[in-house]
Amino acid sequence: QQQVKQSPQSLIVQKGGISIINCAYENTAFDYFPWYQQFPGKGPALLIAIRPDVSEKKEGRFTISFNKSAKQFSLHIMDSQPGDSATYFCAATLSSGTYKYIFGTGTRLKVLA
Amino acid sequence: KAGVTQTPRYLIKTRGQQVTLSCSPISGHRSVSWYQQTPGQGLQFLFEYFSETQRNKGNFPGRFSGRQFSNSRSEMNVSTLELGDSALYLCASSLKGAHLSYNEQFFGPGTRLTVL
Repeated sequence: QQQVKQSPQSLIVQKGGISIINCAYENTAFDYFPWYQQFPGKGPALLIAIRPDVSEKKEGRFTISFNKSAKQFSLHIMDSQPGDSATYFCAATLSSGTYKYIFGTGTRLKVLA
Repeated sequence: KAGVTQTPRYLIKTRGQQVTLSCSPISGHRSVSWYQQTPGQGLQFLFEYFSETQRNKGNFPGRFSGRQFSNSRSEMNVSTLELGDSALYLCASSLKGAHLSYNEQFFGPGTRLTVL
């Protein structure tokens, strides 16, 4: 199975709060897990990515937590700001054999001022 | 460096027509992937081209086809358009072939196709 399940579908957070988006995958062969941020009228842009050999990666206010045994990974946005309001997609790629990006269905985040 | 460009940005067609979308990757990038984005389905992979060869294909009907030219520019064609083809079509380019891991994709702004 090459699905990536993403939740929640939408999220409303107060300014300064923590936004958490979760993804679960099924194929243990996936070995690269990026998160993309998409603003209206724009294409998705890479935000942060993680490999399965680490359990956490932090870049500024954005952190990916990775649980290999549970086949889950999540994006945490600390001190959420109104400018973070966007749609977030998780993805997974398969580096061996047939390769393509498998995307989650997206989470629409709204940060209230 | 200029980013990924897609033309046209907006397109309105009627059922049964065909359409061709164009994508110019970032200079030096040799891989181009196409995605269909809809509110309900998210990003669905269509196909990927590397050095003028189709490397991977998603689960779309044969009405969806593509090609890549020697300058890495790519076109996507949809024949016999259906109402359900209305979507944002995104192109993404990457430096290396998609068979190599940790290969960042850079997305264009997309072409918004509306089928009436």
